[in-house]
Amino acid sequence: QKEVEQNSGPLSVPEGAIASLNCTYSDRGSQSFFWYRQYSGKSPELIMFIYSNGDKEDGRFTAQLNKASQYVSLLIRDSQPSDSATYLCAARGDSSYKLIFGSGTRLLVRP
Amino acid sequence: SAVISQKPSRDICQRGTSLTIQCQVDSQVTMMFWYRQQPGQSLTLIATANQGSEATYESGFVIDKFPISRPNLTFSTLTVSNLSPEDSSIYLCSVDPGGSGNEQFFGPGTRLTVL
Repeated sequence: QKEVEQNSGPLSVPEGAIASLNCTYSDRGSQSFFWYRQYSGKSPELIMFIYSNGDKEDGRFTAQLNKASQYVSLLIRDSQPSDSATYLCAARGDSSYKLIFGSGTRLLVRP
Repeated sequence: SAVISQKPSRDICQRGTSLTIQCQVDSQVTMMFWYRQQPGQSLTLIATANQGSEATYESGFVIDKFPISRPNLTFSTLTVSNLSPEDSSIYLCSVDPGGSGNEQFFGPGTRLTVL
């Protein structure tokens, strides 16, 4: 059973802090990893994807991938109350377009 | 990215009936995907819909329950048949406009409640 695990949270951080969201995956064949943001009552929005070990930065967001540890993380710098949402981690194998989603981590940014 | 619309945005249906959900994209895409998000849970892929071929269903999902049409490169429908309260979920279509598998964008979703 291929799984993606996330702590459900909520993760509470003060405004301006760095929020760190973590995700582990069970399938070593997973090649690409995705972070989506989902506001309550809305559909998921793609934040970024990563497929190489190391860091990938996009604005205030940094994704980190460690394939040896089967670990993916998302850092949000200068967190804003508008970042309060559920963050979904997803993994994709090399030969499939199927995304396997974690259950999501709820982030609360306190003003 | 792509602009994706879904109809209806929400519906309340009676047990035993069916609901057909439409997904329209503003550009031609090879692959469209249908997901389900049950209350308080994450997303699960139902099937992949390619134009001109039969949809590919994931384990636990069957064509008789979730028939899919893909008549062209911008449109797809998902029907949820013989509804039961357990089918109450949000149903989302998604597309990968570039075809790389690395950018799947989701439609706004259809919230289905079965009484």
